[in-house]
Amino acid sequence: GDSVTQMEGPVTLSEEAFLTINCTYTATGYPSLFWYVQYPGEGLQLLLKATKADDKGSNKGFEATYRKETTSFHLEKGSVQVSDSAVYFCALSDIGSSNTGKLIFGQGTTLQVKP
Amino acid sequence: DTAVSQTPKYLVTQMGNDKSIKCEQNLGHDTMYWYKQDSKKFLKIMFSYNNKELIINETVPNRFSPKSPDKAHLNLHINSLELGDSAVYFCASSQFPGSNEQFFGPGTRLTVL
Repeated sequence: GDSVTQMEGPVTLSEEAFLTINCTYTATGYPSLFWYVQYPGEGLQLLLKATKADDKGSNKGFEATYRKETTSFHLEKGSVQVSDSAVYFCALSDIGSSNTGKLIFGQGTTLQVKP
Repeated sequence: DTAVSQTPKYLVTQMGNDKSIKCEQNLGHDTMYWYKQDSKKFLKIMFSYNNKELIINETVPNRFSPKSPDKAHLNLHINSLELGDSAVYFCASSQFPGSNEQFFGPGTRLTVL
């Protein structure tokens, strides 16, 4: 079945460092891809999305490009802030024949940014 | 205004008890979901309802029974609670199945002793 694999965490960076969180996926069809963020004690929020190959999603300085040839959707940010400390989830939507909207998540990557 | 709300936020109970978690969304969405997040932060879909009809039912023990009295509410009832049910349960909603964003509630942390 469809699956998402993210890099193991935690990732610890200093403020203003460059961030990459790797995400690869396995899917039989043409899924939409998402990054969700979970701040401490809160629910998940959509950070960015891409619905087809070569699309780039971006928001709040984060970006990710849907790469069909490498089945990847890596998250990047040029300069992280302490306020970016959170758990980041890569996900794909199951858009098979049922189109139920089921999200399949990676295992999450914890990011800690130190001042 | 809270878009997706859940009650209670924390729930501590003994093994064997029956408990319910409630979810409400005020976004006018047609579709609602329940997810379970385990202690390692792994998230997995449990159920989804569209217009009060069940459309996703993952391999969840039948001790878990969702109920959707109307489009804005999706409750989760759990019978005979077990230690392994301890987790954070998230409710979410989307405009329709397959729409490109789901909105999540703040979560209910369930601890079974």
